[in-house]
Amino acid sequence: GESVGLHLPTLSVQEGDNSIINCAYSNSASDYFIWYKQESGKGPQFIIDIRSNMDKRQGQRVTVLLNKTVKHLSLQIAATQPGDSAVYFCAEKGSGGGADGLTFGKGTHLIIQP
Amino acid sequence: DGGITQSPKYLFRKEGQNVTLSCEQNLNHDAMYWYRQDPGQGLRLIYYSQIVNDFQKGDIAEGYSVSREKKESFPLTVTSAQKNPTAFYLCASSIDWETQYFGPGTRLLVL
Repeated sequence: GESVGLHLPTLSVQEGDNSIINCAYSNSASDYFIWYKQESGKGPQFIIDIRSNMDKRQGQRVTVLLNKTVKHLSLQIAATQPGDSAVYFCAEKGSGGGADGLTFGKGTHLIIQP
Repeated sequence: DGGITQSPKYLFRKEGQNVTLSCEQNLNHDAMYWYRQDPGQGLRLIYYSQIVNDFQKGDIAEGYSVSREKKESFPLTVTSAQKNPTAFYLCASSIDWETQYFGPGTRLLVL
């Protein structure tokens, strides 16, 4: 079946640098995407979302980019801080409606080096 | 404070025992979900409910049961038929069937 996945299981960055976490999706009918942050032992936390009629959306220190041509989603975190250390995963929803919801990727573990 | 609560944080199950995980939300969301998370894997949908007194099986419903008698509550029972129940269980809710907000999770361990 179609799925959402991530390019790298672990990403290590220096504190203060920008982080870019990537996600590839295969369902061309998906029209809504979300990035979640999950700290160890906790539930996922909503970060930012984007609809398929947009290419870019910005939040506080985060930007999501959507490239529908190559079915690629990325999360950019500016000036990475120790508190950003977590697993980040993307989720997508098809355009078919219904509450059966999201398809989740496996996650990228972001490690912040001092 | 609005949000989703799950209890207990840790739960131990003995062989052949049914255990129930609690999920409560005061966000007035119609839809609620249960997911299972295993190390190195993405979230897998167990059951979901679009509205009170209605629920649907997800991808891995075998060995689990749910009820939705109240809008605020969506308890999950892990039955003895679930042979590999050790996992982190996450409950979520949604007002629009799109953005889902998660609770803190319950870790289930087998004795």
